[in-house]
Amino acid sequence: QVQLVESGGGLVKPGGSLRLSCAASGFTFSDYYMTWIRQAPGKGLEWLSYISSSGTTIYYADSVKGRFTVSRDNAKNSLYLQMNSLRAEDTAVYYCARGGSYSDYWGQGTLVTVSS
Amino acid sequence: DIQMTQSPSTLSASVGDRVTITCRASQSFSGWLAWYQQKPGKAPKLLIYKTSNLEFGVPSRFSGSGSGTEFTLTISSLQPDDFATYFCQHYNVYSLTFGGGTKVEIK
Repeated sequence: QVQLVESGGGLVKPGGSLRLSCAASGFTFSDYYMTWIRQAPGKGLEWLSYISSSGTTIYYADSVKGRFTVSRDNAKNSLYLQMNSLRAEDTAVYYCARGGSYSDYWGQGTLVTVSS
Repeated sequence: DIQMTQSPSTLSASVGDRVTITCRASQSFSGWLAWYQQKPGKAPKLLIYKTSNLEFGVPSRFSGSGSGTEFTLTISSLQPDDFATYFCQHYNVYSLTFGGGTKVEIK
């Protein structure tokens, strides 16, 4: 069955960096666009980025453009989110999800807390 | 960027009620709309894609419709498992936008 497992979340100081990973299984990872979405505590969903199946096309939300970088390793069935210059407002649960236009499978999420 | 406004933000209903949630776009678009259900502490679950297509395994009491700037999610007969928060999501080539969410509560 399709599984997406995020890891790498944790507590980081403002201005710091963190790299999230998403391990995919149960489907042909290289066939699918993948997306990162986050949810601040008690808030709604915010799309961050999607990456094409080959990794050649990537789009970002304005809120993270220039600070976050998405990448993928199809040989390792893995998706990544490099987050730099983190701010308090980046505190959220970060989800990876399958698909670019809509997401039919989601991971369980990993919590990122940005605080001094 | 297109903004998506959901209404109502909270809805109180009883089991068996017909429930309609609306998502309005700030401008007309030709892209897709999806609907998700989220329960506390869980990841969202896809219900509807491409405005009106029911995701595999989702009960047929859920339906989606709309075009232009107004889209709706309808639950024909609310069941106990349906009390949750619902989000719409717009997609175009360059970005995705979620609505603010509608929490469906027990009346």
